[in-house]
Amino acid sequence: NAGVTQTPKFQVLKTGQSMTLQCAQDMNHEYMSWYRQDPGMGLRLIHYSVGAGITDQGEVPNGYNVSRSTTEDFPLRLLSAAPSQTSVYFCASSLVGPGAEAFFGQGTRLTVV
Amino acid sequence: GIQVEQSPPDLILQEGANSTLRCNFSDSVNNLQWFHQNPWGQLINLFYIPSGTKQNGRLSATTVATERYSLLYISSSQTTDSGVYFCAVERGGGFKTIFGAGTRLFVKA
Repeated sequence: NAGVTQTPKFQVLKTGQSMTLQCAQDMNHEYMSWYRQDPGMGLRLIHYSVGAGITDQGEVPNGYNVSRSTTEDFPLRLLSAAPSQTSVYFCASSLVGPGAEAFFGQGTRLTVV
Repeated sequence: GIQVEQSPPDLILQEGANSTLRCNFSDSVNNLQWFHQNPWGQLINLFYIPSGTKQNGRLSATTVATERYSLLYISSSQTTDSGVYFCAVERGGGFKTIFGAGTRLFVKA
């Protein structure tokens, strides 16, 4: 059982480049989300989805786009990378409802130069 | 929006010692979870505890929702307990999970 799989694990981008961080889960979870983790700030929610075709903004959505065409996949797109987007990105998934345990991917360390 | 504050920010323990980590939140919540991030960055769910008390081995957690705080107890700490402990809350009617800044724990052998 793979759980939540994120790719790539590491990435270096130049300012202005675009890229997509991939996230896939094989647990048939309705809820998926993206966080960024910066030193001393914990995790901040970027975007989330409660099912295929449904997405919404979190705390820090600017500069990021998401889509949810299938239950399994929830890619995060950076259209024009900026140095302020240097961070570690985590994808998570869970069932929806009380007691739902969240499962996290291993993270993507992104550096924008 | 809701504020989540964790204390202490840093904690150093000798192996075998006990500790209590605290999470205060500024508004009512319908979901509260504790996570452990190990030194390799992996995040693991420890407890789902919007109210009441739960125990899992050497770890236990208590949430007093009416007073807006939660406590995570670690007994007989081990070096493998090192890492960062996060509290995360979710307000009623939404799906936005808000994390605290975490407590960084180092357990010395």
